[in-house]
Amino acid sequence: DTGVSQNPRHKITKRGQNVTFRCDPISEHNRLYWYRQTLGQGPEFLTYFQNEAQLEKSRLLSDRFSAERPKGSFSTLEIQRTEQGDSAMYLCASSLVETGRHEQYFGPGTRLTVT
Amino acid sequence: GDSVTQMEGPVTLSEEAFLTINCTYTATGYPSLFWYVQYPGEGLQLLLKATKADDKGSNKGFEATYRKETTSFHLEKGSVQVSDSAVYFCALSEGTGNQFYFGTGTSLTVIP
Repeated sequence: DTGVSQNPRHKITKRGQNVTFRCDPISEHNRLYWYRQTLGQGPEFLTYFQNEAQLEKSRLLSDRFSAERPKGSFSTLEIQRTEQGDSAMYLCASSLVETGRHEQYFGPGTRLTVT
Repeated sequence: GDSVTQMEGPVTLSEEAFLTINCTYTATGYPSLFWYVQYPGEGLQLLLKATKADDKGSNKGFEATYRKETTSFHLEKGSVQVSDSAVYFCALSEGTGNQFYFGTGTSLTVIP
C-alpha cells in the first residue's frame, strides 16, 4: 500500500466553475476525512466518513461543497460555483478506527487556485 | 471548544542546536495529542503521539511529553539537522478521533 493518494495535485479554475477532487485512502482504513489548509494555517476539518456514511460536517462546509464516499472506498469532494475564497490546499486523511488508535494518515493534498 | 496554540515561527537554528516548539491545548475531555511534520511540497506526516497524561511520544530523535497539569505537549530535539527543516503542527483528537484540531504550524529552518 502506498498511502493516501489525491488527484489532481493542482487545479486552476475560473470563478463560478465547478471542481471535483478525488481521494483514495489506505485500503484497510474505514474512516476518511477532508480538511482545508490555507497559507500559514493548520488544516481545518471539513467532514468525515465512516465507511460510506458521512457522519459529521463542519460549519465551514457551505452548501456549495458536497462530499461522497459511495462504496466506502474512495471519496470525492465537489465545490460548485467556486469563489476566490475557496483557493486553498484540500487535504484528505484516513484512519482505522480501533480502540486507542486515533492517528490519521494524510495525502499530499490538492492545491486549488480560483482566478 | 477544543483548540491548540502553538509557538509562532519562523524558527531558525544552527545545525546541532537544541529545539523546543511549544504547544498548549484546550480540551473538554481527555484528548490524544500529536505532532505532525510537513516537508516542502509534501503532505502531513505523523511524527509522534501520546494518548494519555505523562505519556512520552518519541520518533527520529524528537520527543514530547503529555503534561495534563500544564495542558502542554512541547516538542523537543537535542540536536537538529538540516533535514529537519519543515513545518511542525501540534494537534489534538478527542474521544473516538472524529476530527483533529491543529495548531497554526511552526516553520523550522536549520542552517549548516
